[in-house]
Amino acid sequence: AQRVTQPEKLLSVFKGAPVELKCNYSYSGSPELFWYVQYSRQRLQLLLRHISRESIKGFTADLNKGETSFHLKKPFAQEEDSAMYYCALRDNTGGFKTIFGAGTRLFVKA
Amino acid sequence: DTEVTQTPKHLVMGMTNKKSLKCEQHMGHRAMYWYKQKAKKPPELMFVYSYEKLSINESVPSRFSPECPNSSLLNLHLHALQPEDSALYLCASSQDYGTGELFFGEGSRLTVL
Repeated sequence: AQRVTQPEKLLSVFKGAPVELKCNYSYSGSPELFWYVQYSRQRLQLLLRHISRESIKGFTADLNKGETSFHLKKPFAQEEDSAMYYCALRDNTGGFKTIFGAGTRLFVKA
Repeated sequence: DTEVTQTPKHLVMGMTNKKSLKCEQHMGHRAMYWYKQKAKKPPELMFVYSYEKLSINESVPSRFSPECPNSSLLNLHLHALQPEDSALYLCASSQDYGTGELFFGEGSRLTVL
């Protein structure tokens, strides 16, 4: 079965420090991976998706099929990055469901 | 208009009540979704509508009844709910089912007494 694992429930870093939010997945086919973010009192929204290979708000994520990972990285964290981050996988071989990981709360300290 | 709008934002109901949650989008998206999110948990898929037809029902109890009157509207009818059904109910849409990103509404926070 498809599964998305985010091992850290909470990640706390200082402003200006690098940040990496981990995401591992199990999937038998060719997955489509996403990072969604939820800022305080805002709706859940897309941050980035692996097929676009963009850098959004300084964040990047590379799909590593060998390690089945899609870690989210930013070289210098900002206080406004504090939010809940969900890694998500879409099953493109059957059902096309989007499955979410448990989420990681990022707290960037001043 | 690039938003998914959900009403009401908050709903309190008794176990014998009948109520409905509403969702609307005017982005021309052909797929609409209901997710349930309990506190400190990720969203869990409940239903998917594609081109106004129910495509997926994730074994949701029949006390939850979805309805898609047209391509812009999605309802979730609630009847005889249990206290454990209290949660944030999120509506989402996408260009088509299986493509593109999900656009989420702000959610309807439901409390069942």
